Amino acid sequence: EAQVTQNPRYLITVTGKKLTVTCSQNMNHEYMSWYRQDPGLGLRQIYYSMNVEVTDKGDVPEGYKVSRKEKRNFPLILESPSPNQTSLYFCASSVASGTLYEQYFGPGTRLTVT
Amino acid sequence: DAKTTQPNSMESNEEEPVHLPCNHSTISGTDYIHWYRQLPSQGPEYVIHGLTSNVNNRMASLAIAEDRKSSTLILHRATLRDAAVYYCILRGISSNDYKLSFGAGTTVTVRA
Repeated sequence: EAQVTQNPRYLITVTGKKLTVTCSQNMNHEYMSWYRQDPGLGLRQIYYSMNVEVTDKGDVPEGYKVSRKEKRNFPLILESPSPNQTSLYFCASSVASGTLYEQYFGPGTRLTVT
Repeated sequence: DAKTTQPNSMESNEEEPVHLPCNHSTISGTDYIHWYRQLPSQGPEYVIHGLTSNVNNRMASLAIAEDRKSSTLILHRATLRDAAVYYCILRGISSNDYKLSFGAGTTVTVRA
């Protein structure tokens, strides 16, 4: 089954404790992206990657890092989480042959930083 | 980026059609109209997209006005599973920007 998986689905952590949210897709997609969703602000893009070793900032990259060492994986790293990073996070992927292709989203990771 | 305008919410009865409007008066000639939906506690999922002609798939139909300044997503027989937030998004065919610009969307409630 074609899918995007994220782990963990739920995470409660404390300020400053480094964490990684993993994202994996099994569709051989070149493009992968991270969004965060906050009430009243909608979904906003954090980082994206057009292919292995190619990453770039989205609209709200501050406080986040990403890496793309393998095509299927695109982890989101919070080196020193803060309470304002409490949010619902979604990973997405698609082929990179044009913007007509649908994007597939993961189930989400709900992060709480206290 | 061209913007879209959608009603905040709509209600429907189960097994009745739902017509979701979207206004995009500043759409350019190379913008496609995409629809995504987000079910409760899930990630967004693709529904349908089109350029000028009406489009049908297993999930829904997309009716596009002749001047392309508006479009309507049609769910032919709403089920409880169709309760979701529906997003109308414009995407330029010539763009290299793969980011999806989600607005507030329309929250659809389906009554049993």
